[in-house]
Amino acid sequence: EVQLVQSGAEVKKPGESLKISCKTSGYTFTSYWIVWVRQMPGKGLEWMGIINPIDSDTRYNPSFQGHVTMSTDTSINTAYLQWDTLKASDTAMYYCSRRRAVTGDVNFDMWGQGTMVTVSS
Amino acid sequence: QSALTQPRSVSGSPGQSVTISCTGTSSDVGHYDFVSWYQHHPGKAPKLIISDVSNRPSGVPDRFSGSKSGNTASLTISGLQAEDEADYYCLSYAGTYTFVVFGGGTKLTVL
Repeated sequence: EVQLVQSGAEVKKPGESLKISCKTSGYTFTSYWIVWVRQMPGKGLEWMGIINPIDSDTRYNPSFQGHVTMSTDTSINTAYLQWDTLKASDTAMYYCSRRRAVTGDVNFDMWGQGTMVTVSS
Repeated sequence: QSALTQPRSVSGSPGQSVTISCTGTSSDVGHYDFVSWYQHHPGKAPKLIISDVSNRPSGVPDRFSGSKSGNTASLTISGLQAEDEADYYCLSYAGTYTFVVFGGGTKLTVL
């Protein structure tokens, strides 16, 4: 069974750092890119970026470039999303998903359960 | 990146059909046959319901169908059921630089 299991909810202060995870199982990790999607409270889904676990080739939505870093660890089939300096505006639900390593594929067929990040002083 | 344009809300009664539009540009929806649709119930993970414009993944009822004409993709839900009440998002490939773009989301209310 394919599963993407995300780390638990986080409460942080502005300026702090954070790394959340997305642990995958049930498929060949390197056959799919990992996608990260944000949903701010009361807002829609936003594509943050995508990473190829094979070579860590990463494409960021320009809106997130420089503020978050995506990474993977193929030894434990896990993807990460991290912030060095959190802002209150980073308060949101974050989802990981996957897509096939095929040009143009935008079929995010399996999703994690989401990680709620709250940034507040 | 400009989001694809979706109506903010649509509604229908049980048994009726509704169509949700997703309008992009000649750089995304109009250029590629790579459009997907997602159903999102609050508090749950989004679910892929239409892939590659009009394909239904395994397990998705045939009440859900997708199509595309020009720069606009559409999701049609026929035989509305109460459990269809959710937010729906479209997503399109937009080339190697922009990569992907989401629609703004449509809230479906089943009356």
